[in-house]
Amino acid sequence: EIVLTQSPGTLSLSPGERATLSCRASQSVTNDYLAWYQQKPGQAPRLLISGASSRATGIPDRFSGSGSGTDFTLTISRLEPEDFAVYYCQQYSTSPLFTFGPGTKVDV
Amino acid sequence: QVQLQESGPGLVKPSETLSLTCTVSGGSISSYYWSWIRQPPGKGLEWIGYVYYSGSANYIPSLKSRVTISVDTSKNQFSLKLSSVTAADTAVYYCARHGGHGYYFAYWGQGTLVTVSS
Repeated sequence: EIVLTQSPGTLSLSPGERATLSCRASQSVTNDYLAWYQQKPGQAPRLLISGASSRATGIPDRFSGSGSGTDFTLTISRLEPEDFAVYYCQQYSTSPLFTFGPGTKVDV
Repeated sequence: QVQLQESGPGLVKPSETLSLTCTVSGGSISSYYWSWIRQPPGKGLEWIGYVYYSGSANYIPSLKSRVTISVDTSKNQFSLKLSSVTAADTAVYYCARHGGHGYYFAYWGQGTLVTVSS
């Protein structure tokens, strides 16, 4: 089983600042099969990024994903008020066992 | 636009079976993988299992002995059954559709809270 670790646990920033979120895997994520999700309170997660760097339909270009192997990064170039949320990474390289990271909370 | 909606009892007694249904609208259930994911209150996400439209399914090993996920293509629905529930199964349960190019979760239902309590 691939275990994902996300850091930091909480990221305290202000609107307009840059956010850099890390996701590390206990073993290599084959084919960069890593996704990122955003979850706001009381809502379902929303897909942001798949394949480590491909933005989902309708996702603003201030969100970008990078990385490969065991180290991945989600960057929000300039935080908007609506971006304050919890972000999860998920690996899907070890079908049929998919795992999520514990999440990073981005707050003001 | 594909939409998913979970339905089922919000309260289940310990040792009984949790049963939820996900109704898919705005698209066919055929040709995709469909999953159930849960989130205990205040905690992270846990994938439970998926079903293909053909009916083949796979589950997380820790729940495999208690879980069944099935599909009804005639109703554009898929379902989750989790037996012998305990308080540890209290969670928001989400249904989701996988992406067209991988096992990420492209579309999600709004989620439904299931509480296990007597």
